[in-house]
Amino acid sequence: QVQLVESGGGVVQPGRSLRLSCAASGFTFSNYAMHWVRQAPGKGLEWVAVISYDGSIKYYADSVKGRFTISRDNSKNTLYLQMNSLRAEDTAVYYCAIPRGTLIVDAIDFWGQGTLVTVSS
Amino acid sequence: QSALTQPASVSGSPGQSITISCTGTSSDVGSYNLVSWYQQHPGKAPKVMIYDVSKRPSGVSNRFSGSKSGNTASLTISGLQAEDEADYYCCSYARSCWVFGGGTKLTVL
Repeated sequence: QVQLVESGGGVVQPGRSLRLSCAASGFTFSNYAMHWVRQAPGKGLEWVAVISYDGSIKYYADSVKGRFTISRDNSKNTLYLQMNSLRAEDTAVYYCAIPRGTLIVDAIDFWGQGTLVTVSS
Repeated sequence: QSALTQPASVSGSPGQSITISCTGTSSDVGSYNLVSWYQQHPGKAPKVMIYDVSKRPSGVSNRFSGSKSGNTASLTISGLQAEDEADYYCCSYARSCWVFGGGTKLTVL
């Protein structure tokens, strides 16, 4: 069955960097775009970034553009999110998610369990 | 990339029907039939309930239905059950990005 396991979260000081990973299994990872979506404590969902199946297309939310970089390694079935210049407002649970189909515009379908990032001094 | 507008809360009694609205703009909801709805129970990951405005994934109860008119999408839950109590989020594609609603807390009285 489809599994998405996020890792790499933790406590980090403002201005520092962190890299999240998402290990995928149970489906052909290289066929699907992948998303990162976050949720601040007690708040709603916020889309962060998406990467196409081959890594050639990347889109970002304005709130993270220029600071976060999404990438993937299809040989390792792993999605990444490099987060630089972290701010307190980046504190959230970060979910990786796959769309229903192989088109980048397909609806976000299955979500991992998330990893918590806390930005605090 | 402004968030879609949802009511903060709705409530209904078991067996009743409720509708949650999701208002966007002509740049997102109004331009694409790519609206989805997610259910989230406390401490859990979201689960897709409706995609492409009105399509229901296999395994999702037919008590859940979706629709859209202009810049507003809607999720209707009929025959409310206690297990439907959760947070609900709409989401729309918006040309190179995705935008979520602020979420609606559904209380089953």
